[in-house]
Amino acid sequence: DIVMTQSPLYLPVTPGEPASISCRSNKSLLHSDGNTFLDWYRQKPGQSPQVLIYLASSRASGVPDRFSGSGSGTDFTLKISRVEAEDVGVYYCMQALETPITFGQGTRLDIK
Amino acid sequence: EVQLVESGGGLVQPGGSLRLSCAASGFTLTNFDLHWVRQVPGKGLEWLSAIGIVGDTFYSGSVGGRFTISRDDAKNSLYLQMNNLRVEDTAVYYCARDSQGIDVWGKGTTVIVS
Repeated sequence: DIVMTQSPLYLPVTPGEPASISCRSNKSLLHSDGNTFLDWYRQKPGQSPQVLIYLASSRASGVPDRFSGSGSGTDFTLKISRVEAEDVGVYYCMQALETPITFGQGTRLDIK
Repeated sequence: EVQLVESGGGLVQPGGSLRLSCAASGFTLTNFDLHWVRQVPGKGLEWLSAIGIVGDTFYSGSVGGRFTISRDDAKNSLYLQMNNLRVEDTAVYYCARDSQGIDVWGKGTTVIVS
């Protein structure tokens, strides 16, 4: 199974400041079709997960442009340019290159 | 409105069975890959199973051989048959649609094995 490792696991951020979450996989997520199968999700307290970024850098529909995804191969980053109070929650990376699909451990973002 | 609604969760004894259902509205299930994902309260997300557009199925190692995913196109519904349940299967179970990422999630149904 592909192992996904996120850091940090806890991220306190001041509103208006940027935030960055790292995700590493133990296998390249680049498919032979040229796509990189890495997604980012946010789970707000008491809610179901919501996709933020798919295919490593494509912003999902309705997601503010404060969110961006980057990276390739085995190293990926989710960046929030200016954190807002509503961004509180747990952020997960997920690889969809092969089954079993696997998630990172999650990064809890809190507001300072 | 595009949505998924799970049902069928509940309390079951170890070794028992449950069948989870997931009703889709606002879109046709057969046009998408579909997943079951679970989450122990306070813990992370765990992918369990998927069914592809052509009906191919996939399972995690933790549930393969015990859980079966299926789809009823006429009812526009997804199912997860869970047999030989264990205490560690206690979790919230989500069904989800795969489009641009896993873009539609249900609210989940709770399974307690005790």
